[in-house]
Amino acid sequence: QQQVKQSPQSLIVQKGGISIINCAYENTAFDYFPWYQQFPGKGPALLIAIRPDVSEKKEGRFTISFNKSAKQFSLHIMDSQPGDSATYFCAALGENTGTASKLTFGTGTRLQVTL
Amino acid sequence: AAGVIQSPRHLIKEKRETATLKCYPIPRHDTVYWYQQGPGQDPQFLISFYEKMQSDKGSIPDRFSAQQFSDYHSELNMSSLELGDSALYFCASSYQRLGQGDTQYFGPGTRLTVL
Repeated sequence: QQQVKQSPQSLIVQKGGISIINCAYENTAFDYFPWYQQFPGKGPALLIAIRPDVSEKKEGRFTISFNKSAKQFSLHIMDSQPGDSATYFCAALGENTGTASKLTFGTGTRLQVTL
Repeated sequence: AAGVIQSPRHLIKEKRETATLKCYPIPRHDTVYWYQQGPGQDPQFLISFYEKMQSDKGSIPDRFSAQQFSDYHSELNMSSLELGDSALYFCASSYQRLGQGDTQYFGPGTRLTVL
């Protein structure tokens, strides 16, 4: 059972457009929500992250919108560029009380930015 | 800035052989996580260590074991390898003592191929 649901599975956006990826979760114990960018054969790279006490966080062209009541969050990539073409994973953390909590990932979105 | 180092980057083994993957966390990071990523899938958590003690355990087969050493590097030992173990194995690290334990930085991964 996928604890973090991500959509769409793939996305094609024109250069300069806005890319939007959505995620939803059920477990209210989650309290940290990062987004990772992954290029083929490479490790996931942290893009931006948010906590539930904030509704929006912006870093450069990347913005996270967070809706705590709906248990949903989304990544917006403004002015999308061909170099943004990669797989994006949302994730959630905080499910257990262990010191080193695991990240639970969404299924990923393959973004392609066309010229 | 220094990143997580993983070795080897590629590994080819035969069925029933043993493999050892190594991870060197970012300097001063005290926590290490291991994830497995199959083709076209999201990373799945295996195990984590904080201050050389096992902290959390995910879907790690009994054939696998891991430990964190006094210099904080970690090794993932995999025995009786099966074809289904072929995957990318990522190590991530974080700095719990500084209160930044939620932020996990991933290494470039080890691609394991079992023939």
